[in-house]
Amino acid sequence: EAGVTQSPTHLIKTRGQQVTLRCSPISGHTSVYWYQQALGLGLQFLLWYDEGEERNRGNFPPRFSGRQFPNYSSELNVNALELEDSALYLCASSPILTSGTGELFFGEGSRLTVL
Amino acid sequence: EDQVTQSPEALRLQEGESSSLNCSYTVSGLRGLFWYRQDPGKGPEFLFTLYSAGEEKEKERLKATLTKKESFLHITAPKPEDSATYLCAVQAGGFKTIFGAGTRLFVKA
Repeated sequence: EAGVTQSPTHLIKTRGQQVTLRCSPISGHTSVYWYQQALGLGLQFLLWYDEGEERNRGNFPPRFSGRQFPNYSSELNVNALELEDSALYLCASSPILTSGTGELFFGEGSRLTVL
Repeated sequence: EDQVTQSPEALRLQEGESSSLNCSYTVSGLRGLFWYRQDPGKGPEFLFTLYSAGEEKEKERLKATLTKKESFLHITAPKPEDSATYLCAVQAGGFKTIFGAGTRLFVKA
């Protein structure tokens, strides 16, 4: 069974640019979560999508946004990039609203460097 | 405010030296407590889910336990391949999963 896939794996941007990160969940999982992990820091919750709807949002500015498509894949968009946006962006999928169990299954992440 | 605190930040063990990692939490309406393992540059890997106080789960050299305010991850006779960052997370109402900062475990042969 294929796991969660994320793309791109690495990217470099400059301040002020925009970036789109993509995530495909495990087949059968309807929920997608996004987390930011800055170097040496813990995972910070960004967004949760289920069935195409944004269900919950972390304490991040509006320039962090995303969406979920009918096939449950998801995009994370970050506008007006700042240096502190440099981090590993992790996507996770979960069967949470179908099975009731809340464990998350993570992809390998997208490493974003902002210069 | 929901909060997860892990200790110690880092732990260095000799191969075979058993120890425990701690996760204390403050959350309203705990739906579940989770342990994950994260290797450098990779996404976290799910280990255990605990739902209620008194519950225990085991997997190879790892055993997770849960009380009303904290969870422990016991590592018995660790091996170098157990070296990783161990993350604790709690899920409360709204299905938001909050992670602790993790404990970096180093096991020396």
